[in-house]
Amino acid sequence: NAGVTQTPKFRILKIGQSMTLQCTQDMNHNYMYWYRQDPGMGLKLIYYSVGAGITDKGEVPNGYNVSRSTTEDFPLRLELAAPSQTSVYFCASSYPVTGGNQPQHFGDGTRLSIL
Amino acid sequence: GNSVTQMEGPVTLSEEAFLTINCTYTATGYPSLFWYVQYPGEGLQLLLKATKADDKGSNKGFEATYRKETTSFHLEKGSVQVSDSAVYFCALSDPLEGGATNKLIFGTGTLLAVQP
Repeated sequence: NAGVTQTPKFRILKIGQSMTLQCTQDMNHNYMYWYRQDPGMGLKLIYYSVGAGITDKGEVPNGYNVSRSTTEDFPLRLELAAPSQTSVYFCASSYPVTGGNQPQHFGDGTRLSIL
Repeated sequence: GNSVTQMEGPVTLSEEAFLTINCTYTATGYPSLFWYVQYPGEGLQLLLKATKADDKGSNKGFEATYRKETTSFHLEKGSVQVSDSAVYFCALSDPLEGGATNKLIFGTGTLLAVQP
């Protein structure tokens, strides 16, 4: 069982470059999420999606874009990389909520450094 | 808005010691509460959950009880092992504020280091 797969695992970018972080899940989950994890700060929600063709901003969306053309894939795009975007990025997915008690399943993360 | 506060780490214990990691929350509605664990170099894994007041979640010897009167969800384990060394995150999902989105709000995480 693959679960949630993120690629790449590590990446170094120069300021101003762009890249796409890939995320795919094979659990047929409708809901998907992107988080960033900064040291001592917990996880912050960047964007989320409740189904193909539907995306919405989370707590820290500036500097990022997403798309959801299929149930399986939810790529995160950085258009103009900035040092403040150095972080570990996690993708997660879950079944639709029923009373808010569905756990999220996480990928192993992408460690991104911008120099 | 909703928030989660958990004790700062690192928490350093000897093997077989008793563990408590405190977690308190602020929520508009009636949230579900979760503990996630992150082992080095890996993503987060669900450890346990509780969906209503007085529920006790348990898994792998860890327990946490949903206390509405104290707005707490403290994580406990009677005898820790070296393999329990990880970062532990308390989180909540509040349908009243998040709607039907299942969004999670996380605490800052607590690093646990267990020494042999």
